[in-house]
Amino acid sequence: EAAVTQSPRSKVAVTGGKVTLSCHQTNNHDYMYWYRQDTGHGLRLIHYSYVADSTEKGDIPDGYKASRPSQENFSLILELASLSQTAVYFCASSNWGAETLYFGSGTRLTVL
Amino acid sequence: TQTVSQSDAHVTVFEGDSVELRCNYSYGGSIYLSWYIQHHGRGLQFLLKYYSGNPVVQGVNGFKAEFSKSDSSFHLRKASVHWSDSAVYFCAVSAGGYQNFYFGKGTSLTVIP
Repeated sequence: EAAVTQSPRSKVAVTGGKVTLSCHQTNNHDYMYWYRQDTGHGLRLIHYSYVADSTEKGDIPDGYKASRPSQENFSLILELASLSQTAVYFCASSNWGAETLYFGSGTRLTVL
Repeated sequence: TQTVSQSDAHVTVFEGDSVELRCNYSYGGSIYLSWYIQHHGRGLQFLLKYYSGNPVVQGVNGFKAEFSKSDSSFHLRKASVHWSDSAVYFCAVSAGGYQNFYFGKGTSLTVIP
């Protein structure tokens, strides 16, 4: 079965600090995504990637960077964490034509 | 701009009742419509999707959804809910390929045993 693993499961960061969220998939999928979930806002796309060593901006990329060093791994980087980035972050993967997202369990980030 | 609207933030029913979770979308081209379920503290899981053909699609655990082009809707239904169906349900629309999936705000379903 498809598997997407996120780490850490939760994190507390200080304002202005650097945060890295990691995602690993064993699905052999080409596409990977980072979504942010806020209460009452559904999910919003931050960055995505369709091939290793390349990333694309989603709908809300400001304040975030992404890195895709290999097909299996996709990281989300907050260089200067801010209070407004407190949220739950989900990584997902999919394959071209499948039109189905496979999600990780999420990372709850709290910025103080 | 693609939008997905889920009109009910919360729905509460008793076990054994039928339920309909509503989803309306706004999109100009060919699209994939899908539903996902999120149990508390978990990631989203795929339930079902529609692209073309029979407008009624069957999903897992007795869920089904019906596409209506005239109403721009893709409502999710279940004939007899179980307490374990309590979760948040998200409707999503995508243009296909690597295109972004746009999600509604979710409907929280509570099933009272």
